[in-house]
Amino acid sequence: NAGVTQTPKFRILKIGQSMTLQCTQDMNHNYMYWYRQDPGMGLKLIYYSVGAGITDKGEVPNGYNVSRSTTEDFPLRLELAAPSQTSVYFCASSSLDSGANVLTFGAGSRLTVL
Amino acid sequence: DAKTTQPTSMDCAEGRAANLPCNHSTISGNEYVYWYRQIHSQGPQYIIHGLKNNETNEMASLIITEDRKSSTLILPHATLRDTAVYYCIVRVPNAGNNRKLIWGLGTSLAVNP
Repeated sequence: NAGVTQTPKFRILKIGQSMTLQCTQDMNHNYMYWYRQDPGMGLKLIYYSVGAGITDKGEVPNGYNVSRSTTEDFPLRLELAAPSQTSVYFCASSSLDSGANVLTFGAGSRLTVL
Repeated sequence: DAKTTQPTSMDCAEGRAANLPCNHSTISGNEYVYWYRQIHSQGPQYIIHGLKNNETNEMASLIITEDRKSSTLILPHATLRDTAVYYCIVRVPNAGNNRKLIWGLGTSLAVNP
């Protein structure tokens, strides 16, 4: 049981490039989330999903896109990367069975845009 | 959602109990108190949650005052590995509302040898 797995762990992008952060969970959790955390700050929700085929915007969705074609995977797409997207990105999941607000987080993906 | 107030930082000696306070004076009757921690550069880790009764698990104890306006997370025998930022969050346990989960700056706990 690996929990929540994120790839890559580190990435450097040039301004205007695009990339996808991968997130997969093997706990059969319905709910999945993408957060970003800027240095010295709390987490901010980018997008979330309550099940396959359903996604919705969080607090800071601009510049990102997501999809949820399976229960396990919730990739985050960055189009036209900007320096303001330099951050650490965390994927998380939760299950109504274990408590909807008990989130399991991945180890994070550190992205730098130059 | 109820707001929470936590001290910015705290120190604790290794082996002693660490008591981390959280004020949530505007908490409503159906809101739970959740605690997470984030060890440097890692993803946050769930610790414990409760509604009104005190709770204990293998990681910590949660003491909630009778009026529910504040709570204390207790790490009974702090170790150096407990050095982390601790977040207190108040929420109605509804996954659809997780989009509104507000993560503040938490309390930075330093456990000293």
